[in-house]
Amino acid sequence: SQKIEQNSEALNIQEGKTATLTCNYTNYSPAYLQWYRQDPGRGPVFLLLIRENEKEKRKERLKVTFDTTLKQSLFHITASQPADSATYLCALDIAGGYALNFGKGTSLLVTP
Amino acid sequence: GAVVSQHPSRVICKSGTSVKIECRSLDFQATTMFWYRQFPKKSLMLMATSNEGSKATYEQGVEKDKFLINHASLTLSTLTVTSAHPEDSSFYICSAVSDSTYEQYFGPGTRLTVT
Repeated sequence: SQKIEQNSEALNIQEGKTATLTCNYTNYSPAYLQWYRQDPGRGPVFLLLIRENEKEKRKERLKVTFDTTLKQSLFHITASQPADSATYLCALDIAGGYALNFGKGTSLLVTP
Repeated sequence: GAVVSQHPSRVICKSGTSVKIECRSLDFQATTMFWYRQFPKKSLMLMATSNEGSKATYEQGVEKDKFLINHASLTLSTLTVTSAHPEDSSFYICSAVSDSTYEQYFGPGTRLTVT
């Protein structure tokens, strides 16, 4: 069955450092992969989308890589800030459509 | 930016009653919307695809008679949890795909508690 795994439930880092979150998937050939931010009691907020033929994408302090051979995506937040503290979700398309299959998320805590 | 709203944001109902949750796209039309549920510390799980003007498509294991979906207009989909039980308590989140830009936006979620 298709599985999405995010490396750890929680990640604590110091302000100013780079946070790196991992998303691995199995039994899947996604057309694209997305990263979302979710704050407690709120819906997910879209951050970045990367397609299967793209290796890397950047948006301000965010960077996503996508390795379809390793079946892995890395999500980086550079110069992290306490305001970046949230849960980050990795999501893959279901059969190339708009419906998504989500990972459990990694809870990031950035301390001053 | 595009906004999706959900109403109510929180609802408490008694076991055996039904509760309706609305999902609205506020400044765009959406033929396709999705309903997800999320249990504490778990991932969002797709429940169903809601298509305007046609029947919803339910994921395996989701009872269509229990979770009634109506997508009567291009800006509104409703999810009705019928004969709710405590195990239906969850965070329900909708998303809508813009007909013009094909971008997808998520609602803020509805916390349902069944007592």
